[in-house]
Amino acid sequence: EAGVTQFPSHSVIEKGQTVTLRCDPISGHDNLYWYRRVMGKEIKFLLHFVKESKQDESGMPNNRFLAERTGGTYSTLKVQPAELEDSGVYFCASSHGRIEAFFGQGTRLTVV
Amino acid sequence: EDQVTQSPEALRLQEGESSSLNCSYTVSGLRGLFWYRQDPGKGPEFLFTLYSAGEEKEKERLKATLTKKESFLHITAPKPEDSATYLCAVASGGSYIPTFGRGTSLIVHP
Repeated sequence: EAGVTQFPSHSVIEKGQTVTLRCDPISGHDNLYWYRRVMGKEIKFLLHFVKESKQDESGMPNNRFLAERTGGTYSTLKVQPAELEDSGVYFCASSHGRIEAFFGQGTRLTVV
Repeated sequence: EDQVTQSPEALRLQEGESSSLNCSYTVSGLRGLFWYRQDPGKGPEFLFTLYSAGEEKEKERLKATLTKKESFLHITAPKPEDSATYLCAVASGGSYIPTFGRGTSLIVHP
């Protein structure tokens, strides 16, 4: 069974540019989560989808971040325009129930 | 607001030298406490979920325990392949969204 897959694994962009991160969850998992880890800090929750609906987006830092989940399958997280403080590792996770979440390998975003 | 503090930040052990990692937490209404393992360049890998004080779970050389204020991850006779960052997280209230600690970086020398 394929795990959670994230694209790209690394991205380096200039301040003001746009970047789109993609997450393909495990097939059949209704719950999809986005997290971010800024250097030196703990992993922080960004938002939670149940199928195609946003269940909780309380962790989204500001309106420069837009997440979508098409047809309850893959999800994208767009940052527009990117700022220096957006640098970090973005993780996606999915779960069938609410407990055991499986994480992707992460996308390392560097904004210069 | 949920708080999770892990100690120590880093731990170096010799192969076979047993030890414990600590996760202290403050929540209102614990739904679950999670332990994850994270290898460099990879995402967290789920290890255990503990739900109530007194609960214990084991997997190979790892054993997780839970009290009302903290959890321990005991590592018995560790091997170099146990080297990783171990993350603790808690979920509370009506949500299973975890709040993570900063992790303990474990290095096991052969």
